[in-house]
Amino acid sequence: ETGVTQSPTHLIKTRGQQVTLRCSSQSGHNTVSWYQQALGQGPQFIFQYYREEENGRGNFPPRFSGLQFPNYSSELNVNALELDDSALYLCASSPRGTNVLTFGAGSRLTVL
Amino acid sequence: SQQGEEDPQALSIQEGENATMNCSYKTSINNLQWYRQNSGRGLVHLILIRSNEREKHSGRLRVTLDTSKKSSSLLITASRAADTASYFCATADIQGAQKLVFGQGTRLTINP
Repeated sequence: ETGVTQSPTHLIKTRGQQVTLRCSSQSGHNTVSWYQQALGQGPQFIFQYYREEENGRGNFPPRFSGLQFPNYSSELNVNALELDDSALYLCASSPRGTNVLTFGAGSRLTVL
Repeated sequence: SQQGEEDPQALSIQEGENATMNCSYKTSINNLQWYRQNSGRGLVHLILIRSNEREKHSGRLRVTLDTSKKSSSLLITASRAADTASYFCATADIQGAQKLVFGQGTRLTINP
């Protein structure tokens, strides 16, 4: 079975720009969660998607938005990028009913 | 905000020694999990302990949970150089069971 794949692995943006990160969930997993991990910190929950709808959100502003597609893949969009958005963005998938997460390798975003 | 607090923040030991990491949390939980992360990559699930369990083993890993003290410990026995990584505890509180809240992690270095 394939694991969770994320793209791109690295990207550099400038302040004010917009970014889209992509995630393919593990086969058989219908729930996708996104986390932001700043350097030296633990991952922080951004939001979760199930059945193409947001199913819980952390303390992140509305400029962080997401989508889930019928094949359970997902996108994270961040508008009006700020310097503090520089972080590793982690996508994780799980079957419904469990919170044991399978993580992708992450997308490292640098905002200049 | 982070729910868990890991202690110590960094730990350096010799190969073959045992490593113990501690985690404290704030709210009532459904379960507590430990994850491992190598060099800023994705996290890998290690073990889950439910709120009604006190101890659990998996290979060289031993996890304890004390819900009265809201704390957990992870013991890695007979450490190997390949165990060098960051270790995070993650909790799912009763109200938001699908959302995991991670601590700041313990950076473990195993010296050959």
